[in-house]
Amino acid sequence: KAGVTQTPRYLIKTRGQQVTLSCSPISGHRSVSWYQQTPGQGLQFLFEYFSETQRNKGNFPGRFSGRQFSNSRSEMNVSTLELGDSALYLCASSFHNYGYTFGSGTRLTVV
Amino acid sequence: GDSVTQMEGPVTLSEEAFLTINCTYTATGYPSLFWYVQYPGEGLQLLLKATKADDKGSNKGFEATYRKETTSFHLEKGSVQVSDSAVYFCALDTGRRALTFGSGTRLQVQP
Repeated sequence: KAGVTQTPRYLIKTRGQQVTLSCSPISGHRSVSWYQQTPGQGLQFLFEYFSETQRNKGNFPGRFSGRQFSNSRSEMNVSTLELGDSALYLCASSFHNYGYTFGSGTRLTVV
Repeated sequence: GDSVTQMEGPVTLSEEAFLTINCTYTATGYPSLFWYVQYPGEGLQLLLKATKADDKGSNKGFEATYRKETTSFHLEKGSVQVSDSAVYFCALDTGRRALTFGSGTRLQVQP
């Protein structure tokens, strides 16, 4: 059974640009959530989607957005990138409340 | 708000030593509790979980018991191996489909 797939694994962007990250959940998992991991702030929740609807959102500025497609795949977008957005972005999928399976993450570097 | 407090690391042990990583939490309601492990360059792997008071989660020799009276979920292993070297995260979910993580504890096991 394939795990959670995140693409790309690594990304380098320039300040002011925008970026889109992709996440394919485990087959049958309809919930997808996103987290940001930085050395300073640790792991922080961004948002969670279920059946194409955002059900919960963390405390991040509006530059961070996401969406989910009918096949449960999800994307997150960060506009007007700042240096502080450099982080490992992790996606997790879940089947009901049986726990979260994480992908390997996308490491974003903003220069 | 919800929070998770973990002991500071790094924790350095010799192979076959006993491991304890302390975790306490503050949350409204009755959260589910998790331990995740992160190896270098990878995402998070679910190690074990417990969903109600006095539940004991266990996996790969690791154990943790949900103690509601002390709001704790300490991780233990009787005999660590070099391959257990990683960062361990305690986390909770109050049903809002968003994990709240501790700051992580780095474990280094020396041969």
